Amino acid sequence: DQQVKQNSPSLSVQEGRISILNCDYTNSMFDYFLWYKKYPAEGPTFLISISSIKDKNEDGRFTVFLNKSAKHLSLHIVPSQPGDSAVYFCAASAENRGNQFYFGTGTSLTVIP
Amino acid sequence: DAGVIQSPRHEVTEMGQEVTLRCKPISGHNSLFWYRQTMMRGLELLIYFNNNVPIDDSGMPEDRFSAKMPNASFSTLKIQPSEPRDSAVYFCASGARGAGTNEKLFFGSGTQLSVL
Repeated sequence: DQQVKQNSPSLSVQEGRISILNCDYTNSMFDYFLWYKKYPAEGPTFLISISSIKDKNEDGRFTVFLNKSAKHLSLHIVPSQPGDSAVYFCAASAENRGNQFYFGTGTSLTVIP
Repeated sequence: DAGVIQSPRHEVTEMGQEVTLRCKPISGHNSLFWYRQTMMRGLELLIYFNNNVPIDDSGMPEDRFSAKMPNASFSTLKIQPSEPRDSAVYFCASGARGAGTNEKLFFGSGTQLSVL
């Protein structure tokens, strides 16, 4: 049972435009969310996180939005750069679930120069 | 810090053979996770340890899979006997867990396992 879902396997965006990656979750007890970026032949690296007490967190070109009522979060990248081309994983955890991290299936982003 | 170190980077073996994957977490981290990456399920949690103690192994697919963490600086994931459907990339990740902290996981580069 996939508790964290990324329904778009891939996304292509022109350089300089906005990239929006989406993630849905089913467990209302999740209270901490993260995005990871993964390049080929490397492990995932932490990108940005958000606690459930917030609805937005920004770090440079990256912003994560959380909509708790819809159980939905999104990652915005503005402006997109070719170096952003990678697989992006959404993850969620809940303190009362032992802080296990549940990951989505990933979205492959291609930024076209 | 060298980060999370996994070995080997690539493993090719024949069906029925025993496979052992190794992981050295970041020094000072007290939690360690084993994940398997597949196209269908993304990053699938197999097992995780806290302070060297296995907390949840419900993600381990079968009895053929076992994991150990004999000390804070080393963990192994063993598959015996291996099967072709075990072919995947296996990641180890470590984190620093503490009361009231929001933990981040740091991943190794993974082991690409191919079972022929």
